[in-house]
Amino acid sequence: GESVGLHLPTLSVQEGDNSIINCAYSNSASDYFIWYKQESGKGPQFIIDIRSNMDKRQGQRVTVLLNKTVKHLSLQIAATQPGDSAVYFCAENTGFQKLVFGTGTRLLVSP
Amino acid sequence: DVKVTQSSRYLVKRTGEKVFLECVQDMDHENMFWYRQDPGLGLRLIYFSYDVKMKEKGDIPEGYSVSREKKERFSLILESASTNQTSMYLCASRPVGGGLFFGSGTQLSVL
Repeated sequence: GESVGLHLPTLSVQEGDNSIINCAYSNSASDYFIWYKQESGKGPQFIIDIRSNMDKRQGQRVTVLLNKTVKHLSLQIAATQPGDSAVYFCAENTGFQKLVFGTGTRLLVSP
Repeated sequence: DVKVTQSSRYLVKRTGEKVFLECVQDMDHENMFWYRQDPGLGLRLIYFSYDVKMKEKGDIPEGYSVSREKKERFSLILESASTNQTSMYLCASRPVGGGLFFGSGTQLSVL
């Protein structure tokens, strides 16, 4: 389902901790997955993507893990900073131009 | 970096007015999209276009139309604005096989 807004799951971490944000996707035929970050009042920002023929992909301070067996996607943020505070949500490509957005998670980083 | 530019950050319009939301992308992407984002409802696809002069309805096209006369520009038109169209509107572009790149959004208020 899609849900970004008032009643989001929230993950609170301390600055410097590692954060793990999870996403369950629905379609076993989905072939491509993306993580987005959305700060208040701004458009979603592309963070990292992964194709279904991979199970791990790393970027700068971020790692995405894909477990196709249980249809689960996670985003790991290393050494979380206050600037990482935002809503994070995943998207799965279920078909031609069909991106389904997951339920967002609000990440709060305390100094 | 991909740049998707939406012409207005904030707009206030009156019920019944015709509203144009403009979007330009500078990365020669074939595909462009219009979404609206509402608290508790997440991202919902209004229309998309996979080529110049081509358009496809998304999940909530009622009350909207689009125009794509040039590859880089995708316009969303509210023929007769209504209060239930008050929302954050997000334009995005997408290369073939890639993820969505969003603009900063236009917060539209219809009074």
